Amino acid sequence: KQEVTQIPAALSVPEGENLVLNCSFTDSAIYNLQWFRQDPGKGLTSLLLIQSSQREQTSGRLNASLDKSSGRSTLYIAASQPGDSATYLCAGPLTGRRALTFGSGTRLQVQP
Amino acid sequence: KAGVTQTPRYLIKTRGQQVTLSCSPISGHRSVSWYQQTPGQGLQFLFEYFSETQRNKGNFPGRFSGRQFSNSRSEMNVSTLELGDSALYLCASSPPTGDTEAFFGQGTRLTVV
Repeated sequence: KQEVTQIPAALSVPEGENLVLNCSFTDSAIYNLQWFRQDPGKGLTSLLLIQSSQREQTSGRLNASLDKSSGRSTLYIAASQPGDSATYLCAGPLTGRRALTFGSGTRLQVQP
Repeated sequence: KAGVTQTPRYLIKTRGQQVTLSCSPISGHRSVSWYQQTPGQGLQFLFEYFSETQRNKGNFPGRFSGRQFSNSRSEMNVSTLELGDSALYLCASSPPTGDTEAFFGQGTRLTVV
């Protein structure tokens, strides 16, 4: 059974810092990995999708990497801003399935 | 292009009642998945529909059911509501082929009293 773990559970940083969020999964049969952002009481916003054939993906100040052999993915946020404050979730389906298994998320607070 | 639309946004129901939630996927998407989010259990997969057929099912009791219509819109039904069914219910749609990127709606907040 796929299990996804996110570390740390919560993070508070001053504005401008670069930071790394970690995601680990137990089953290397993960097909791809997706990072989401969730604001309180809202739905999920897709940030980055790393397909199984890729090792990393970039969008603006965000960079996500995927290492299937070690069961790890990281989300790097450069020059953090107060507007980045949210919960960040990673999730992935097993090969051949569309059901996503989610981590419990990292709650990020960026202090102005 | 319009995103995933979920209605209603908020619902309050009494224990024992039933409820129906609706999800309209992104135009052209034929896969619709449902998830339950609670503070204690996080995000858990309920089921996935593709071309009006349930393709995957999570580990939830039979009180949770769904269906998909020919226009890809999906409904989720919960019968005999329990207090523990209070949650944010999220719907996601995915493109019909290729990668499995999921796009989520804003969710329906269900409160059972």
